[in-house]
Amino acid sequence: GAVVSQHPSRVICKSGTSVKIECRSLDFQATTMFWYRQFPKQSLMLMATSNEGSKATYEQGVEKDKFLINHASLTLSTLTVTSAHPEDSSFYICSASDRVRGELFFGEGSRLTVL
Amino acid sequence: GQQLNQSPQSMFIQEGEDVSMNCTSSSIFNTWLWYKQDPGEGPVLLIALYKAGELTSNGRLTAQFGITRKDSFLNISASIPSDVGIYFCAGPSADKLIFGTGTRLQVFP
Repeated sequence: GAVVSQHPSRVICKSGTSVKIECRSLDFQATTMFWYRQFPKQSLMLMATSNEGSKATYEQGVEKDKFLINHASLTLSTLTVTSAHPEDSSFYICSASDRVRGELFFGEGSRLTVL
Repeated sequence: GQQLNQSPQSMFIQEGEDVSMNCTSSSIFNTWLWYKQDPGEGPVLLIALYKAGELTSNGRLTAQFGITRKDSFLNISASIPSDVGIYFCAGPSADKLIFGTGTRLQVFP
């Protein structure tokens, strides 16, 4: 079964609204989680590294004020897309590293559609 | 930055055929990972490679870590319809995971 879970799996919102996506590690603690964005027929592009208890590290070209990341606990990271626009429509995927198993697990992804 | 290029971009094969795809990098990687992504899902790890020259199998899948450490290959034998999906290579770089461009596989019965 899934060890990293994302919610919601699909969300449709109006332009200008904010959307929050949750990423949870279900049976392990993750001090670091990663957020990726995937446009149709393209690869996964890393957006940011989410660090528990500290600020996220954003990749070049990713607006930190637009994509707010909060990693408030060892099992939960959230990505909030603020003032969403149609060009933000994408598949957002999180991942978390289980240091005990030595493996990186990916969530099921969240498809955002901004109308 | 580092890029991982995969070829072919897409493949259309008949059930039962063998499949080969590769991944090349402009720089050296010490670990190579192969993932499969089903439509609307996150990627799932298929095979991990940790040593140059290593050949590792997982059922009908076999992957090799190139000697130069700049490439890797994935083979699928006797393909079946559920092999359909996008296959990504990936390599860790400074605590991040870089994904390849992907190979989209279609299998026809």
